[in-house]
Amino acid sequence: DTGVSQDPRHKITKRGQNVTFRCDPISEHNRLYWYRQTLGQGPEFLTYFQNEAQLEKSRLLSDRFSAERPKGSFSTLEIQRTEQGDSAMYLCASSPGAFATQYFGPGTRLLVL
Amino acid sequence: DQQVKQNSPSLSVQEGRISILNCDYTNSMFDYFLWYKKYPAEGPTFLISISSIKDKNEDGRFTVFLNKSAKHLSLHIVPSQPGDSAVYFCAASGTYNFGNEKLTFGTGTRLTIIP
Repeated sequence: DTGVSQDPRHKITKRGQNVTFRCDPISEHNRLYWYRQTLGQGPEFLTYFQNEAQLEKSRLLSDRFSAERPKGSFSTLEIQRTEQGDSAMYLCASSPGAFATQYFGPGTRLLVL
Repeated sequence: DQQVKQNSPSLSVQEGRISILNCDYTNSMFDYFLWYKKYPAEGPTFLISISSIKDKNEDGRFTVFLNKSAKHLSLHIVPSQPGDSAVYFCAASGTYNFGNEKLTFGTGTRLTIIP
C-alpha cells in the first residue's frame, strides 16, 4: 500500500491528557498537510510542511497544538491538555508539490471524554 | 465566513440516472477546484479537479463544470452506480499566493443512489 497512512485510527482519551498522532505520506511527496473535520463540516486546514519546514499554521492551531516533520518524511501532531472540543477526525494529506492534488489518509478519530 | 458552499446537504438519485452536485464559492481569487468523495470512517478520496483556465474536465463517468462568472461549479456523474453513494466535498484553493496551499472545503453533499 503506497497511500498516506495514519496511526492510530482511533483514540479515546480523558480531558487534560496529551495525545500524539502520526502521519506517513506517500513516498517522495514533499508536501504534508493536516486538517481537522468535525461532524457535519468539511475538513478545515490546520498546518502544512514543505519537507521539514512548517510553512503555514491556521489560527485554529492553538498553543496546545504542535506539529513536526523532523526529517521531511513522517509527521506528528501533538495536542496537549486535550479538551472536549478537540474531539474530531484529524486528517493528513500529502502532495508531490505546490498546488498539486492532495491525497488524504484514513484519518485519526479522536474522542475526548 | 463560508467561502465554499454546498447548499444541498443530501441528494437521492436512481441508479443509472445522472447525479448533479453543486458548489458555489465567494472568493474570486480561487482558481483551482477539486471534488473529493468520502465514505464513513475513511479519508476523502480525490475524484477530479479543474483549473480556472478551463470550463470543463472529464474523467470517465465524472465531469466537472466551472462557471467562473457565476462562481459556481458542478460535478456530474453519469450513469450513477450504487457504489457512488457517499459524501461529496467540493474544495478550492488559490494559486495566486505562493505558500497559500491550503484547501478550503464545503460542508459536503450526501449522495444516495437508489437501486
